[in-house]
Amino acid sequence: GQNIDQPTEMTATEGAIVQINCTYQTSGFNGLFWYQQHAGEAPTFLSYNVLDGLEEKGRFSSFLSRSKGYSYLLLKELQMKDSASYLCAVRDSNYQLIWGAGTKLIIKP
Amino acid sequence: IAGITQAPTSQILAAGRRMTLRCTQDMRHNAMYWYRQDLGLGLRLIHYSNTAGTTGKGEVPDGYSVSRANTDDFPLTLASAVPSQTSVYFCASSDSTSSGANVLTFGAGSRLTVL
Repeated sequence: GQNIDQPTEMTATEGAIVQINCTYQTSGFNGLFWYQQHAGEAPTFLSYNVLDGLEEKGRFSSFLSRSKGYSYLLLKELQMKDSASYLCAVRDSNYQLIWGAGTKLIIKP
Repeated sequence: IAGITQAPTSQILAAGRRMTLRCTQDMRHNAMYWYRQDLGLGLRLIHYSNTAGTTGKGEVPDGYSVSRANTDDFPLTLASAVPSQTSVYFCASSDSTSSGANVLTFGAGSRLTVL
């Protein structure tokens, strides 16, 4: 079966750095996505990786290793507004998105 | 403001009743999707449409139907609601179905409770 694993919840301190991991087992691979979802709101797109390596976008970076079935989202200089759930999703060989259950990130002052 | 509009925002429904969740986008995206989000589970695809006039079944289609009469509208109908359909429903759209990033834009969601 297809599976996306990410930690259920993480806690970090304002101003610090946090890494949210995602491992996947899917039928084929056509890209990996990270979305941010604040409580009670819609998911919004953060990043997209299709080749191995690091994609940097401001305070957020996303890494992909296709051989290991592994990605991480790195958030630097954490702000209180970064408190949200972070969703990992993989597009499979049928170009359908398989979603992880999300990681709830709690930022403490 | 360009985006996706969903209605209703929230609804409490008696089991056995028929319910239609509305979704309208103004971005002229070809593809549209309906997902449900339940605590502890990832987003699960109910139905999708790659272009106006076509629809397809997702991971959890049973008990739901959709139509895509035009580019902008993609309603989701529960013919006879059951308590297991209590969930938050998200409509989404994208301007490509395969190549490229194919980023999804989501509506604000419809919270449905079936009693």
